[in-house]
Amino acid sequence: DSGVTQTPKHLITATGQRVTLRCSPRSGDLSVYWYQQSLDQGLQFLIQYYNGEERAKGNILERFSAQQFPDLHSELNLSSLELGDSALYFCASSVATGVLNEQYFGPGTRLTVT
Amino acid sequence: AQTVTQSQPEMSVQEAETVTLSCTYDTSESDYYLFWYKQPPSRQMILVIRQEAYKQQNATENRFSVNFQKAAKSFSLKISDSQLGDAAMYFCAWSLANTDKLIFGTGTRLQVFP
Repeated sequence: DSGVTQTPKHLITATGQRVTLRCSPRSGDLSVYWYQQSLDQGLQFLIQYYNGEERAKGNILERFSAQQFPDLHSELNLSSLELGDSALYFCASSVATGVLNEQYFGPGTRLTVT
Repeated sequence: AQTVTQSQPEMSVQEAETVTLSCTYDTSESDYYLFWYKQPPSRQMILVIRQEAYKQQNATENRFSVNFQKAAKSFSLKISDSQLGDAAMYFCAWSLANTDKLIFGTGTRLQVFP
C-alpha cells in the first residue's frame, strides 16, 4: 500500500458524460500527479499540482481539468467523454517537486466509457 | 521531444536465473533521471530503481541493478535470482532533472517460470 488513495476504483459511464476522479496523497506529500494508462497511448503524464498550484502540464485534453484543494487532495474532471477516454487513471504523490523524489502511485481508477 | 523505447514486449526467465530488460532513450538534455517501475497484475505502479544521469556509478537495489550507458543512451535493468513475484510489466521512464514529468516506455512483460 503506497498510502495514496483513489476513488472510485471502477467507473462505468456513457459517452458525453462527465466524471470526477478523486485522489488523496500520502500524508505530508505536497505534489500530486495524474497519469493515464490506455492500450493506445500507454502511460502518459497528464498534469501536476504542487501545494495547490499547477506545476506542469502534459498531454491533457481540453475536456479534462484538474485541481488541488487546500487539504491537498486532488480531483481530475473528465467531460464530454468519448470511448477513447476509457483507461486506467493513476494519481501519484511526492513530498516535493523539482528534485529527484519518488512518486508514489495510487491503485488507479478504471474508467470505462460505453 | 524525449522518447523512451523498450524493444522487448515480452521476456521470460526461469526462477533463480538472471534476466536483463532493455531500455533506450532519446534526449538532447544532459541532466536527467531514469527509473524502472514495476506493474504487477494488481496494476499498482512500484518504483524499482532510479538513476541520476550525472552519476557514473550504476544504481543497485538488492537483486535489481542497472547498466547505465549515457553515451549510448541505454538504461537496462538486470534482475538476479529471479523470483515468481518478479513477474510483472516493467516500465522504463525518463524525466528531466528538476522536473517531475515522467515519460514512460511501452513496457516489457516479464514472465517467471518455476
